[in-house]
Amino acid sequence: GIQVEQSPPDLILQEGANSTLRCNFSDSVNNLQWFHQNPWGQLINLFYIPSGTKQNGRLSATTVATERYSLLYISSSQTTDSGVYFCAVGRGYSTLTFGKGTMLLVSP
Amino acid sequence: DTEVTQTPKHLVMGMTNKKSLKCEQHMGHRAMYWYKQKAKKPPELMFVYSYEKLSINESVPSRFSPECPNSSLLNLHLHALQPEDSALYLCASSQSTGFVYGYTFGSGTRLTVV
Repeated sequence: GIQVEQSPPDLILQEGANSTLRCNFSDSVNNLQWFHQNPWGQLINLFYIPSGTKQNGRLSATTVATERYSLLYISSSQTTDSGVYFCAVGRGYSTLTFGKGTMLLVSP
Repeated sequence: DTEVTQTPKHLVMGMTNKKSLKCEQHMGHRAMYWYKQKAKKPPELMFVYSYEKLSINESVPSRFSPECPNSSLLNLHLHALQPEDSALYLCASSQSTGFVYGYTFGSGTRLTVV
């Protein structure tokens, strides 16, 4: 199956700082999603981005499918951004495979 | 309606109990999924239903029994669970099992087996 690696595994930021999270995957994919899991467990879909660049407020994401990586940018981080960020990919008719996640803590 | 609704949010059950988890979506999605997530781990796929038929069972023990009564509803019946089955159970849906569609997740049921 497809291997998904996320980095860094843990990240601590001061409020207001910017950060970049990375997702590398081992094969071509047709589906790539970034999720934020809040402390209560809810998985919130941030971006569906198998290729290209998207922006939503302070968050943006870029996927370079030919080089098999995706980046999630968080600008002007807030304490509510804390949680785990997962990258998940799918290929063909397969289901989503999740990376191990990046645990983000934003301190005031 | 762009949500997947899961009930209950929390469940505590004994090892001899029978309980059910419920998942509902009204987005017209024809694929529905059950995932299990242990603390500090990513979600792991358990079952996939496509057009109300079970299409994937990831070698899940028979004490977990899924059911898809109609295109909007997905149940997970639990019987004789073990303490190690305590976890967050997540339901998701997508337009189909085709590769081009994104998944929408519910908020999960946090299960504790005592």
